[in-house]
Amino acid sequence: DTEVTQTPKHLVMGMTNKKSLKCEQHMGHRAMYWYKQKAKKPPELMFVYSYEKLSINESVPSRFSPECPNSSLLNLHLHALQPEDSALYLCASSQVVAGGQETQYFGPGTRLLVL
Amino acid sequence: GESVGLHLPTLSVQEGDNSIINCAYSNSASDYFIWYKQESGKGPQFIIDIRSNMDKRQGQRVTVLLNKTVKHLSLQIAATQPGDSAVYFCAENSYNQGGKLIFGQGTELSVKP
Repeated sequence: DTEVTQTPKHLVMGMTNKKSLKCEQHMGHRAMYWYKQKAKKPPELMFVYSYEKLSINESVPSRFSPECPNSSLLNLHLHALQPEDSALYLCASSQVVAGGQETQYFGPGTRLLVL
Repeated sequence: GESVGLHLPTLSVQEGDNSIINCAYSNSASDYFIWYKQESGKGPQFIIDIRSNMDKRQGQRVTVLLNKTVKHLSLQIAATQPGDSAVYFCAENSYNQGGKLIFGQGTELSVKP
């Protein structure tokens, strides 16, 4: 089983709202990732968690706040977003991070629209 | 046919034909490469991978070729089907990039029945 699940599938929020995206995997993977993807573009890395600790933050604005409560769950808390933050947010996981030769498996994404 | 470019290129093939999708990578230290398929409204789906100690790897109807000399990767799809219509991304990683995958710009494959 290589399934990564994400909720919600779609989200519409105003610029003053607070919302959270959720990601879950039960493959025993110890690395989890958040990506942002605009239409017709490749995914852009936002954050990497390794063994529940944040290991990479790609200079993401503080209005995006990641959280890894345990090895199976990854959240992305959203606050005071801008319309340009509208995108598909993808979660991925891999067995580990070290070594660079780990396949990342992606979830279906959350389609976010900021009004 | 084949397609490569900086913007999202499109490759259109007839059902039953073979497809070749190309990708140029930039980091000579990259030692692991993955091809993903992304259908409309879905997340990227793993297709096949290859490590730098290989130059060819085959899966079911798909073959990945790696030419490290010219930093080039290709995905060949045999007997292309309408269900193969999607955007295809190559991605590279290396030991010195940790978990950071570097994605290519993608190629949109359109299969005509």
